Amino acid sequence: EVQLVESGGGLIQPGGSLRLSCAASGFSVSSSYMTWVRRAPGEGLEWVSVIYAGGDTYYADSMKGRFTISRDNSKNTLYLQMDSLTAEDTAVYYCAKTGGPWDWGQGTLVTVSS
Amino acid sequence: QAVVTQEPSLTVSPGGTVTLTCGSSTGDVTSGHYPYWFQQKPGQAPRTLIYDISNRYSWTPARFSGSLLGGKAALTLSGAQPEDEAEYHCILSYLGARPYWVFGGGTKLTVL
Repeated sequence: EVQLVESGGGLIQPGGSLRLSCAASGFSVSSSYMTWVRRAPGEGLEWVSVIYAGGDTYYADSMKGRFTISRDNSKNTLYLQMDSLTAEDTAVYYCAKTGGPWDWGQGTLVTVSS
Repeated sequence: QAVVTQEPSLTVSPGGTVTLTCGSSTGDVTSGHYPYWFQQKPGQAPRTLIYDISNRYSWTPARFSGSLLGGKAALTLSGAQPEDEAEYHCILSYLGARPYWVFGGGTKLTVL
């Protein structure tokens, strides 16, 4: 059974950095497409980034240069490094196993506020 | 980047039928956009309802069906149940040299 558990969210000041983790079980992140999605308060879902099984990475334009997706195959964990955070980055962040029917984690809340 | 549009809200009577749509600013939605539909209830994570136009996921009730209709992706609910009240999100893939994905704004479906 696929399970995804996000962690690392919390309250962070504007301009700060945060690294989110997504611990996977039931499959290997190294052989899967893995995606980050977020949902800001009062908004719809927003695609953030994807990492292909082969390692290629892609980002939404608004996150490019500030966010970095990566994985640790030995820990079977996906990461999202977020830098230069602003209030507009406040959202619940979800990881998902994609490249087929999407399997979602429960999400982790990131609040950017002073 | 493309913009994906959905109806902001729809209402269906219990037992009734409703169709939600998902359009692209770049033109007709085709199989190459691999449209997906997700259901999300308040306080919960989204879950996959339909993938690749019309494939149901393991948990998806048969009353949900996906299709391409009039240049858009469509999600049809036939025989609405109270538990179908939720927000429905579509996503389209744009698989060019630099691929990206775009969600629609979501449709709030009320069963009333």
